[in-house]
Amino acid sequence: DTEVTQTPKHLVMGMTNKKSLKCEQHMGHRAMYWYKQKAKKPPELMFVYSYEKLSINESVPSRFSPECPNSSLLNLHLHALQPEDSALYLCASSQSNMGFTGELFFGEGSRLTVL
Amino acid sequence: DAKTTQPNSMESNEEEPVHLPCNHSTISGTDYIHWYRQLPSQGPEYVIHGLTSNVNNRMASLAIAEDRKSSTLILHRATLRDAAVYYCILSAPGGKLIFGQGTELSVKP
Repeated sequence: DTEVTQTPKHLVMGMTNKKSLKCEQHMGHRAMYWYKQKAKKPPELMFVYSYEKLSINESVPSRFSPECPNSSLLNLHLHALQPEDSALYLCASSQSNMGFTGELFFGEGSRLTVL
Repeated sequence: DAKTTQPNSMESNEEEPVHLPCNHSTISGTDYIHWYRQLPSQGPEYVIHGLTSNVNNRMASLAIAEDRKSSTLILHRATLRDAAVYYCILSAPGGKLIFGQGTELSVKP
C-alpha cells in the first residue's frame, strides 16, 4: 500500500466554523507533512512532523493547528479561517526527514473553501 | 534555503524527447536535487532525485552539471500523459522540500 489518503476531498466552511482535515498512511513512514497550494502556484510547506513530534512550523498562523496522534495519522485543525485560506491542502509522508534523500508520497489533497 | 529557477512553460511533441532545465546557482554541497510532477487535480508525484552523478529510472533521467548549479530532467519519449507541471526542488535541512515555480509541460499529439 503506497497511498496517502486525505479526507474530506472537499470542504466548505464559514469563518466561525471549526473543522479538521485528516491524513492517513500505512507505509510505516515516520515523517508527515502539510502543504498548502493556491491555484496556479507551487505547494508551500506548512508543517513537518518527525516521529510524531512537530519538527518544522513555517510560521503558519495559529488558526491552523496540526496534530499527529500516531505514526499513521496526521490532522490539521481549522478554526476562524479567512477567505484567503481557501486552497488545496496536501498531506505527504516519507520514511524519515533526517538527511532527506528519499521520496515524498503525496495525497490527492483536500480542497478547502472558506466563505 | 536555496532556490530554483525554471521556465514557466514548455511544449513538446508526442514521442519526442523533452529536456526540462533548472538553475540552482545557490545550491549547497549537501542539497539533493529532486524533481516532482503534478498532473491536473492530483497531488505531486515523485519523478527522480540525485546529488552529483546523473541518475536514471523508469520514468526519466536526471543530468546534473559538474558544478551542480544546474540540472536537466530528460523524458525520453513524451506521451500525452506526461503533460503536467514539473517542479525542480532542492532539499533543505530537516526534510524541507521547498518547491520552485515549476514548468508547465504541454504535449502535442
